[in-house]
Amino acid sequence: NAGVTQTPKFQVLKTGQSMTLQCAQDMNHNSMYWYRQDPGMGLRLIYYSASEGTTDKGEVPNGYNVSRLNKREFSLRLESAAPSQTSVYFCASSAVTAGSHEQYFGPGTRLTVT
Amino acid sequence: QKEVEQDPGPLSVPEGAIVSLNCTYSNSAFQYFMWYRQYSRKGPELLMYTYSSGNKEDGRFTAQVDKSSKYISLFIRDSQPSDSATYLCWNTNAGKSTFGDGTTLTVKP
Repeated sequence: NAGVTQTPKFQVLKTGQSMTLQCAQDMNHNSMYWYRQDPGMGLRLIYYSASEGTTDKGEVPNGYNVSRLNKREFSLRLESAAPSQTSVYFCASSAVTAGSHEQYFGPGTRLTVT
Repeated sequence: QKEVEQDPGPLSVPEGAIVSLNCTYSNSAFQYFMWYRQYSRKGPELLMYTYSSGNKEDGRFTAQVDKSSKYISLFIRDSQPSDSATYLCWNTNAGKSTFGDGTTLTVKP
């Protein structure tokens, strides 16, 4: 099993450009999450999807949109990138919704917006 | 005030030292507590998981939860250079979860 995979690993965007970060999991998990991690600020939840067909805002959703394409895939879209969105983005999945079960993380996407 | 506050660090200790990493939380509804370990330029991975007050041991690691004072700790015995990483506490109840900001630990040979 590959676990949680993310593409791309690195990306540089100019201000105003758009892009989609892809995430896929092969563990048959219901719940998936997108986080961003900035130095000294830990992991902050952007959006999550409790199950296929549902998405909810997390702590820092502004400037992002998500799509739960199917049970395996959860994408994060930046419509008009801003320098404040420079960060490392992690996708995660778990067996239940933010409950007692472990979240499994992908390797991350390092995004720089100039 | 953040719902989960973690000792900021960074922390640097000699090999073999006992390490104590600490978090406090304000939401008494939090039921499950986890410690994640994150190596540089990698995603976090689960280290310890508990849902009750008291201690839980796993090898050199002990997770301690005190629900009455809303305090959680991770102890590392006989620390090794391979323990050098950022440690994040994570609390959750149904539908809401919060990470601490992380404590970066360096264990020097």
